[in-house]
Amino acid sequence: NAGVTQTPKFQVLKTGQSMTLQCAQDMNHNSMYWYRQDPGMGLRLIYYSASEGTTDKGEVPNGYNVSRLNKREFSLRLESAAPSQTSVYFCASSELRGATNEKLFFGSGTQLSVL
Amino acid sequence: DQQVKQNSPSLSVQEGRISILNCDYTNSMFDYFLWYKKYPAEGPTFLISISSIKDKNEDGRFTVFLNKSAKHLSLHIVPSQPGDSAVYFCAAKWSGGSNYKLTFGKGTLLTVNP
Repeated sequence: NAGVTQTPKFQVLKTGQSMTLQCAQDMNHNSMYWYRQDPGMGLRLIYYSASEGTTDKGEVPNGYNVSRLNKREFSLRLESAAPSQTSVYFCASSELRGATNEKLFFGSGTQLSVL
Repeated sequence: DQQVKQNSPSLSVQEGRISILNCDYTNSMFDYFLWYKKYPAEGPTFLISISSIKDKNEDGRFTVFLNKSAKHLSLHIVPSQPGDSAVYFCAAKWSGGSNYKLTFGKGTLLTVNP
Protein backbone atom coordinates (compact mmCIF):
# COMPACT_ATOMS: atom_id res chain seq x y z
CA ASN A 1 0.00 0.00 0.00
CA ALA A 2 2.47 2.69 -1.12
CA GLY A 3 -0.16 5.33 -2.01
CA VAL A 4 1.65 8.61 -2.70
CA THR A 5 5.44 8.53 -2.53
CA GLN A 6 7.58 11.65 -2.36
CA THR A 7 11.32 11.99 -2.63
CA PRO A 8 13.45 13.28 -1.05
CA LYS A 9 12.17 13.55 2.53
CA PHE A 10 14.66 16.26 3.46
CA GLN A 11 16.69 18.70 1.40
CA VAL A 12 18.89 21.68 2.14
CA LEU A 13 19.65 24.09 -0.69
CA LYS A 14 21.64 27.26 -1.04
CA THR A 15 19.95 30.31 -2.49
CA GLY A 16 19.97 30.11 -6.27
CA GLN A 17 20.31 26.33 -6.49
CA SER A 18 17.76 24.28 -8.37
CA MET A 19 16.12 21.00 -7.53
CA THR A 20 13.21 18.77 -8.44
CA LEU A 21 10.83 17.16 -5.97
CA GLN A 22 9.50 13.85 -7.21
CA CYS A 23 6.06 12.40 -6.59
CA ALA A 24 4.46 9.16 -7.70
CA GLN A 25 1.10 7.56 -6.92
CA ASP A 26 0.03 3.98 -7.47
CA MET A 27 -3.74 4.41 -7.06
CA ASN A 28 -4.44 5.11 -10.74
CA HIS A 29 -5.66 8.58 -9.78
CA ASN A 30 -6.27 11.15 -12.50
CA SER A 31 -5.46 14.30 -10.55
CA MET A 32 -2.31 15.31 -8.72
CA TYR A 33 -1.34 18.33 -6.65
CA TRP A 34 1.54 20.10 -4.99
CA TYR A 35 0.92 21.95 -1.71
CA ARG A 36 3.18 23.79 0.66
CA GLN A 37 2.70 24.17 4.40
CA ASP A 38 4.33 26.96 6.34
CA PRO A 39 4.29 27.40 10.13
CA GLY A 40 0.95 28.78 11.29
CA MET A 41 -0.49 28.47 7.80
CA GLY A 42 -2.87 26.06 6.18
CA LEU A 43 -1.92 24.06 3.13
CA ARG A 44 -1.65 26.23 0.06
CA LEU A 45 -1.93 24.90 -3.48
CA ILE A 46 1.09 25.54 -5.72
CA TYR A 47 0.14 23.69 -8.90
CA TYR A 48 -2.21 20.93 -9.88
CA SER A 49 -2.74 18.54 -12.76
CA ALA A 50 -6.39 17.67 -13.29
CA SER A 51 -5.45 14.87 -15.67
CA GLU A 52 -2.47 13.51 -17.54
CA GLY A 53 -1.19 16.10 -19.96
CA THR A 54 -2.58 19.16 -18.17
CA THR A 55 -1.21 21.43 -15.47
CA ASP A 56 -2.58 24.60 -13.91
CA LYS A 57 -1.48 27.21 -11.42
CA GLY A 58 -2.80 27.16 -7.92
CA GLU A 59 -2.70 29.79 -5.22
CA VAL A 60 1.09 30.31 -4.93
CA PRO A 61 2.78 29.25 -8.21
CA ASN A 62 5.55 31.86 -8.45
CA GLY A 63 9.04 30.38 -8.43
CA TYR A 64 7.88 26.87 -9.31
CA ASN A 65 7.35 24.73 -12.39
CA VAL A 66 5.73 21.33 -12.69
CA SER A 67 5.73 18.38 -15.04
CA ARG A 68 3.09 15.68 -15.26
CA LEU A 69 5.39 13.03 -16.64
CA ASN A 70 2.69 10.37 -16.94
CA LYS A 71 -0.42 9.38 -15.04
CA ARG A 72 1.64 8.22 -12.04
CA GLU A 73 4.23 10.97 -11.70
CA PHE A 74 4.06 14.69 -11.00
CA SER A 75 7.27 16.63 -10.28
CA LEU A 76 7.82 20.08 -8.82
CA ARG A 77 10.88 22.08 -9.83
CA LEU A 78 12.49 25.04 -8.13
CA GLU A 79 14.68 26.71 -10.76
CA SER A 80 16.39 29.19 -8.44
CA ALA A 81 15.61 28.51 -4.81
CA ALA A 82 14.93 31.39 -2.44
CA PRO A 83 14.73 31.43 1.39
CA SER A 84 11.00 32.19 1.06
CA GLN A 85 10.60 28.70 -0.41
CA THR A 86 11.67 27.08 2.84
CA SER A 87 8.64 24.98 3.64
CA VAL A 88 7.19 21.49 3.86
CA TYR A 89 5.96 20.33 0.48
CA PHE A 90 3.18 17.79 0.09
CA CYS A 91 2.18 15.97 -3.04
CA ALA A 92 -1.38 14.67 -3.22
CA SER A 93 -3.61 12.80 -5.62
CA SER A 94 -7.31 12.29 -6.11
CA GLU A 95 -9.37 10.09 -8.34
CA LEU A 96 -11.12 12.92 -10.14
CA ARG A 97 -10.65 16.63 -9.62
CA GLY A 98 -13.87 18.47 -9.20
CA ALA A 99 -15.92 15.54 -7.95
CA THR A 100 -18.22 16.74 -5.19
CA ASN A 101 -16.88 14.23 -2.68
CA GLU A 102 -13.30 14.44 -3.90
CA LYS A 103 -10.76 13.29 -1.31
CA LEU A 104 -7.08 14.01 -1.45
CA PHE A 105 -4.46 11.40 -0.56
CA PHE A 106 -1.21 12.96 0.59
CA GLY A 107 2.41 11.88 0.57
CA SER A 108 4.50 12.17 3.72
CA GLY A 109 6.10 15.45 2.70
CA THR A 110 9.47 16.96 1.84
CA GLN A 111 11.10 19.29 4.35
CA LEU A 112 13.00 21.86 2.28
CA SER A 113 15.34 24.46 3.74
CA VAL A 114 16.84 27.18 1.58
CA LEU A 115 19.80 28.96 3.16
CA ASP B 1 -8.37 37.12 3.32
CA GLN B 2 -8.68 33.87 5.19
CA GLN B 3 -11.82 32.10 4.05
CA VAL B 4 -11.50 29.12 6.39
CA LYS B 5 -10.61 29.92 9.99
CA GLN B 6 -9.61 27.67 12.82
CA ASN B 7 -9.30 30.15 15.65
CA SER B 8 -7.92 27.74 18.24
CA PRO B 9 -4.30 26.85 17.46
CA SER B 10 -4.35 24.15 20.13
CA LEU B 11 -6.68 22.13 22.34
CA SER B 12 -5.91 19.81 25.24
CA VAL B 13 -8.38 17.23 26.59
CA GLN B 14 -8.33 14.24 28.89
CA GLU B 15 -8.60 10.73 27.56
CA GLY B 16 -12.21 9.57 27.46
CA ARG B 17 -13.65 13.09 27.29
CA ILE B 18 -15.09 14.85 24.26
CA SER B 19 -12.88 16.88 21.92
CA ILE B 20 -14.59 19.67 19.97
CA LEU B 21 -12.67 21.33 17.17
CA ASN B 22 -14.20 24.36 15.53
CA CYS B 23 -14.01 25.88 12.08
CA ASP B 24 -15.60 29.00 10.61
CA TYR B 25 -15.83 29.99 6.97
CA THR B 26 -16.68 33.22 5.22
CA ASN B 27 -17.43 32.14 1.65
CA SER B 28 -21.13 31.29 1.38
CA MET B 29 -20.46 29.45 -1.87
CA PHE B 30 -18.67 26.62 -0.04
CA ASP B 31 -20.82 23.51 -0.18
CA TYR B 32 -18.54 20.67 0.87
CA PHE B 33 -16.40 20.44 3.96
CA LEU B 34 -13.70 18.04 5.01
CA TRP B 35 -11.54 17.33 8.04
CA TYR B 36 -8.01 16.01 7.69
CA LYS B 37 -5.78 14.70 10.46
CA LYS B 38 -2.02 15.07 10.40
CA TYR B 39 0.58 13.33 12.55
CA PRO B 40 4.14 14.70 12.76
CA ALA B 41 6.34 13.78 9.79
CA GLU B 42 3.36 12.39 7.90
CA GLY B 43 1.01 13.79 5.29
CA PRO B 44 -2.58 14.73 6.14
CA THR B 45 -5.11 11.92 5.96
CA PHE B 46 -8.81 12.28 5.26
CA LEU B 47 -10.99 11.90 8.32
CA ILE B 48 -14.60 12.84 7.60
CA SER B 49 -16.61 15.11 5.34
CA ILE B 50 -20.03 16.71 5.08
CA SER B 51 -22.09 18.13 2.27
CA SER B 52 -24.00 21.37 2.74
CA ILE B 53 -27.26 19.50 2.25
CA LYS B 54 -26.69 17.82 5.61
CA ASP B 55 -26.18 19.19 9.08
CA LYS B 56 -24.53 16.14 10.61
CA ASN B 57 -22.33 13.26 9.53
CA GLU B 58 -21.10 10.52 11.81
CA ASP B 59 -18.36 7.94 11.45
CA GLY B 60 -17.61 5.94 14.55
CA ARG B 61 -16.17 8.24 17.22
CA PHE B 62 -16.11 11.19 14.84
CA THR B 63 -19.06 13.46 14.12
CA VAL B 64 -19.06 16.64 12.07
CA PHE B 65 -21.80 19.23 12.54
CA LEU B 66 -22.54 21.96 10.03
CA ASN B 67 -24.43 25.17 10.83
CA LYS B 68 -24.83 26.91 7.48
CA SER B 69 -26.54 30.00 8.83
CA ALA B 70 -23.61 30.60 11.17
CA LYS B 71 -21.04 29.43 8.59
CA HIS B 72 -19.63 27.17 11.25
CA LEU B 73 -18.68 23.54 11.48
CA SER B 74 -17.32 21.47 14.30
CA LEU B 75 -15.68 18.08 14.70
CA HIS B 76 -16.58 16.07 17.78
CA ILE B 77 -14.44 13.16 18.92
CA VAL B 78 -16.05 10.95 21.55
CA PRO B 79 -14.39 9.40 23.47
CA SER B 80 -11.00 10.99 22.84
CA GLN B 81 -7.99 8.70 22.79
CA PRO B 82 -4.26 9.48 23.05
CA GLY B 83 -3.86 8.28 19.45
CA ASP B 84 -6.11 11.15 18.37
CA SER B 85 -3.34 13.60 19.25
CA ALA B 86 -2.58 15.30 15.94
CA VAL B 87 -3.13 18.48 13.96
CA TYR B 88 -6.64 18.71 12.51
CA PHE B 89 -7.25 20.74 9.37
CA CYS B 90 -10.65 21.95 8.28
CA ALA B 91 -11.08 22.38 4.50
CA ALA B 92 -13.86 23.67 2.29
CA LYS B 93 -14.68 23.73 -1.38
CA TRP B 94 -17.25 24.97 -3.86
CA SER B 95 -18.40 22.23 -6.18
CA GLY B 96 -19.57 24.61 -8.88
CA GLY B 97 -17.42 26.57 -11.30
CA SER B 98 -14.18 25.35 -12.79
CA ASN B 99 -11.70 26.03 -10.05
CA TYR B 100 -12.52 23.22 -7.64
CA LYS B 101 -10.19 24.80 -5.15
CA LEU B 102 -9.91 23.20 -1.72
CA THR B 103 -9.25 25.85 0.92
CA PHE B 104 -7.61 24.79 4.17
CA GLY B 105 -7.64 26.33 7.61
CA LYS B 106 -4.44 26.76 9.61
CA GLY B 107 -5.07 23.70 11.74
CA THR B 108 -5.67 22.93 15.42
CA LEU B 109 -3.23 20.84 17.43
CA LEU B 110 -5.19 18.40 19.58
CA THR B 111 -3.44 16.81 22.55
CA VAL B 112 -5.23 14.00 24.36
CA ASN B 113 -3.69 13.35 27.77
CA PRO B 114 -3.78 9.84 29.25
